[in-house]
Amino acid sequence: ILNVEQSPQSLHVQEGDSTNFTCSFPSSNFYALHWYRWETAKSPEALFVMTLNGDEKKKGRISATLNTKEGYSYLYIKGSQPEDSATYLCALEGAGNMLTFGGGTRLMVKP
Amino acid sequence: DTGVSQDPRHKITKRGQNVTFRCDPISEHNRLYWYRQTLGQGPEFLTYFQNEAQLEKSRLLSDRFSAERPKGSFSTLEIQRTEQGDSAMYLCASSAGLFTGELFFGEGSRLTVL
Repeated sequence: ILNVEQSPQSLHVQEGDSTNFTCSFPSSNFYALHWYRWETAKSPEALFVMTLNGDEKKKGRISATLNTKEGYSYLYIKGSQPEDSATYLCALEGAGNMLTFGGGTRLMVKP
Repeated sequence: DTGVSQDPRHKITKRGQNVTFRCDPISEHNRLYWYRQTLGQGPEFLTYFQNEAQLEKSRLLSDRFSAERPKGSFSTLEIQRTEQGDSAMYLCASSAGLFTGELFFGEGSRLTVL
């Protein structure tokens, strides 16, 4: 059974602040780690898929790292904007592309 | 638009009624997944199909829940004798079935059981 914890549960920041969230997992027995962004009234959207220890991915102001040996992944947002407000979900991929999600981090960016 | 579509987007029903949700995946995707998300939680896996074969079912999927994907294209999720605890967002996703790859989600069907 894959177990995924995310922290914090929610986060309020001011526009322009940089922020980061954590995804932790006790076991490295998975195929890949995924980050999704889920805006209200929209569908969850994939941000990154990472497979190797030490992987780093970047998309614009958002980046992520993966450390499978110590069991965590970080998601960073540089210079948060109001449009970054969303729930950020971390998930571990097992057999059959099945994802086990953490509880998510809800980010609110105030203008 | 060739993304994943779900219908209906919202459903309000009375306890004891049956409801059915439909999911149309991305056309070339052979894997289809159903997840359920309740307030404050991440999505929980319910079941998945490879083409028309249902390969995995979660213990969360009680006997009142049934899912089908008759021709390996669209899928339906039926809940019989709904209970208030069934109130949730039901998400459908599809994937191309690669070794590792992202899932493409629909916008979900929100069920409220009164």
